[in-house]
Amino acid sequence: QSALTQPASVSGSPGQSITISCTGTSSDVGSFNLLSWYQQHPGKAPKLIIYEVSKRPSGVSNRFSGSKSGNTASLTISGLQAEDEADYYCCSYATGSTYVFGTGTKVTVL
Amino acid sequence: QLQLQESGPGLVKPSETLSLTCTVSGGSISSGSYYWGWIRQPPGKGLEWIGSIYYTGSTYYNPSLKSRVTISVDTSKNQFSLKLSSVTAADTAVYYCAGHKGDIAFDYWGQGTQVTVSS
Repeated sequence: QSALTQPASVSGSPGQSITISCTGTSSDVGSFNLLSWYQQHPGKAPKLIIYEVSKRPSGVSNRFSGSKSGNTASLTISGLQAEDEADYYCCSYATGSTYVFGTGTKVTVL
Repeated sequence: QLQLQESGPGLVKPSETLSLTCTVSGGSISSGSYYWGWIRQPPGKGLEWIGSIYYTGSTYYNPSLKSRVTISVDTSKNQFSLKLSSVTAADTAVYYCAGHKGDIAFDYWGQGTQVTVSS
């Protein structure tokens, strides 16, 4: 069970849109629509921002959106704001009733 | 609104067993709505799922840790626990407990507790 692959870092200017990819295999991302995304600020616990590929929990900004194609999922942050600067992790349900997280992406707001 | 709180020793000696407990408040651990899991994060690194348990006692473990992990639940105390045996420095991490609704996502998280493995 290998970690899902994410870019180490992504940056953008305020107001811009950025996209973070999350690549897995046919044993995880490709087989289940149980893909979630988490935002983690330094020293804080992760916070769920997307579940089931593209659904947002109550209270999460609609600037966050998710999608999936084949073995790769994506998180898009539109209208980038300073508060979006954080680490982002994807997570997929996988065969054998397990979960695998992504390697994490540091988002920098320029 | 569920709240989760981890507790346990912050320092564990190599080869010993790491033991942590997560206390759930704001809801019953045996309501059947949630599974309860443990996730860790080594310093400067990413998240790793350790395992999860249902209130009935059914468990699901990360294959890479399965031989050393035991997760248990105490419904009378509204708590679930983690035991990780034969620890090494590589097990040094912040350990989070979390609740997840079925297979969907980890909705609720504890604040995390730092565990250091050192003699």
